[in-house]
Amino acid sequence: DGGITQSPKYLFRKEGQNVTLSCEQNLNHDAMYWYRQDPGQGLRLIYYSQIVNDFQKGDIAEGYSVSREKKESFPLTVTSAQKNPTAFYLCASSIAPLETQYFGPGTRLLVL
Amino acid sequence: RKEVEQDPGPFNVPEGATVAFNCTYSNSASQSFFWYRQDCRKEPKLLMSVYSSGNEDGRFTAQLNRASQYISLLIRDSKLSDSATYLCVVNYNSGGYQKVTFGTGTKLQVIP
Repeated sequence: DGGITQSPKYLFRKEGQNVTLSCEQNLNHDAMYWYRQDPGQGLRLIYYSQIVNDFQKGDIAEGYSVSREKKESFPLTVTSAQKNPTAFYLCASSIAPLETQYFGPGTRLLVL
Repeated sequence: RKEVEQDPGPFNVPEGATVAFNCTYSNSASQSFFWYRQDCRKEPKLLMSVYSSGNEDGRFTAQLNRASQYISLLIRDSKLSDSATYLCVVNYNSGGYQKVTFGTGTKLQVIP
């Protein structure tokens, strides 16, 4: 089965803790993206990567970090610098920039 | 002015009705356009791409008006299962990097 997987489905973070959200795709897509969605809001781009070993900040990158060491994987770390991390985090991939994006099922992050 | 704007709704329509949504964008150099559907607490799923010549998929028709800088989605013969939030997406290339913007979504509720 081809697709995008995200884990975990729910994640709890303590104050001052860094957490990493996983995103894996087996679609052989070059581009991958991370979005944040707050209740009743649209998607806001955190980071994206057009190719392995390259990534760019989106509109709300502060307090987040990413890596793209493998084509299949684009993990997102929510650092302690992100003061309001509670949100629904969505990962997506596309065969190339500007093309259709396909989304994973998302991770809900809650702060304890 | 926001880069991408949608009427948040909700649009409450009876089963069988025809409903249309618009999405306006501010960057005249925008290159690719999509409509996504998002159900409550789920990931967005591609509904259709939007082409310059307009395109149709069953009960759904998407159109692009570059002169007035908007895209539209028309749903004919609405079904209860069409109830969801509809997101528009606008992409353009800036300095070799992709700029992707999601609208905040239009909520549709189809009533029996």
